[in-house]
Amino acid sequence: SQKIEQNSEALNIQEGKTATLTCNYTNYSPAYLQWYRQDPGRGPVFLLLIRENEKEKRKERLKVTFDTTLKQSLFHITASQPADSATYLCALHTGRRALTFGSGTRLQVQP
Amino acid sequence: KAGVTQTPRYLIKTRGQQVTLSCSPISGHRSVSWYQQTPGQGLQFLFEYFSETQRNKGNFPGRFSGRQFSNSRSEMNVSTLELGDSALYLCASSLSTGDGYEQYFGPGTRLTVT
Repeated sequence: SQKIEQNSEALNIQEGKTATLTCNYTNYSPAYLQWYRQDPGRGPVFLLLIRENEKEKRKERLKVTFDTTLKQSLFHITASQPADSATYLCALHTGRRALTFGSGTRLQVQP
Repeated sequence: KAGVTQTPRYLIKTRGQQVTLSCSPISGHRSVSWYQQTPGQGLQFLFEYFSETQRNKGNFPGRFSGRQFSNSRSEMNVSTLELGDSALYLCASSLSTGDGYEQYFGPGTRLTVT
């Protein structure tokens, strides 16, 4: 069956370090992969979209990689700050299918 | 541009009742999707509407239905509410349907069924 897995439910890191979140998927061949941030009690906020023919994409302190051979995406936040503490969700969209979300990784950045 | 708005923000209903939730997408966005979010199941896709037509549907019972109006505003309806329907219902809009379009989410409607 098709599955999206995000590493560990929670990730704790020290301020200033790089946070790396993983998204693995099976039985999909997505043309695009998206990352969202969600704060408690709020709707997800779009962060980055990466296409299958792009290996890497950056936006300010954020970097996403997309390895279609490994069926994996890595999401990096460099120079992390306590304000980066949130749940991060990856999502896949194939053809006309619905956007399917992983269960998310809760990131906690300690000052 | 104003973001996605959802009304009401909070709702308490009893089992067996029905409920209608409303969503106004970002101006110019023609696709509206609905999701249910619970602690146990995460974010689950309910359905998507584009140009007043349902384009995709998730694995939810027929008690969950929706519609989209000509101005792209959308409503979802849940009939014969069950305790398990307690959740955060999120609406998201995007420019169009299909691949490659990021979604913009509203704040959600927190539904509690007692």
